[in-house]
Amino acid sequence: EIVMTQSPATLSVSPGERATLSCRASQSVSSNLAWYQLKPGQAARLLIYGASTRATGIPARFSGSGSGTEFTLTISSLQSEDFAVYYCQQYNNWPRTFGQGTKVEIK
Amino acid sequence: EVQLLESGGGLVQPGGSLRLSCAASGFTFTSYAMSWVRQAPGKGLEWVSAIGGSGVSTYYTDSVKGRFTISRDISKNTLYLQMSGLRAEDTAVYHCAKYRYGYNEIDYWGQGTLVTVSS
Repeated sequence: EIVMTQSPATLSVSPGERATLSCRASQSVSSNLAWYQLKPGQAARLLIYGASTRATGIPARFSGSGSGTEFTLTISSLQSEDFAVYYCQQYNNWPRTFGQGTKVEIK
Repeated sequence: EVQLLESGGGLVQPGGSLRLSCAASGFTFTSYAMSWVRQAPGKGLEWVSAIGGSGVSTYYTDSVKGRFTISRDISKNTLYLQMSGLRAEDTAVYHCAKYRYGYNEIDYWGQGTLVTVSS
């Protein structure tokens, strides 16, 4: 199975600052990668698919890049509602696999 | 509005069985693949299983193969996960999820139902 590794585990950022989250795949997943946001007590939210396409209703401050084995999620200017845990997921191979998550917390 | 409402979770002894249900609404149920994703306490997300729109194609993560069965009832717009041979490591919140396209990205998630495997 493809192992997805996210870094860092925790990212401390001040509101208004830029956040850069990384996701690495143990083998190429082409551009078959999605990013999700998860907050306590809420359903997960799809942010990015196809490595770089924003899902419906996702603000432009969220952007995704990368292909193959290296991917990045960037939040250009963190808003209070963006403090959450973010997961990447590959859908190139079975079984589908998630990274272990990056928690974005208020600095 | 898409809604996914899970039920059926609870406390079960090791080796026991449980069936989770997910009532879906707000979209054409047979047109989309569906999935179960779980999150163990204090852990990350783990993909568990997926099923095609017609219910013919099914997929599982290795740790549940032979123990879990995913199915769907199109007359009831309901997704199921039959779990047997439950282990302590199956303890998690189980989320029902809808795929946006094919078996690719998940665009809607349920809030989840908690399964606790303990004696």
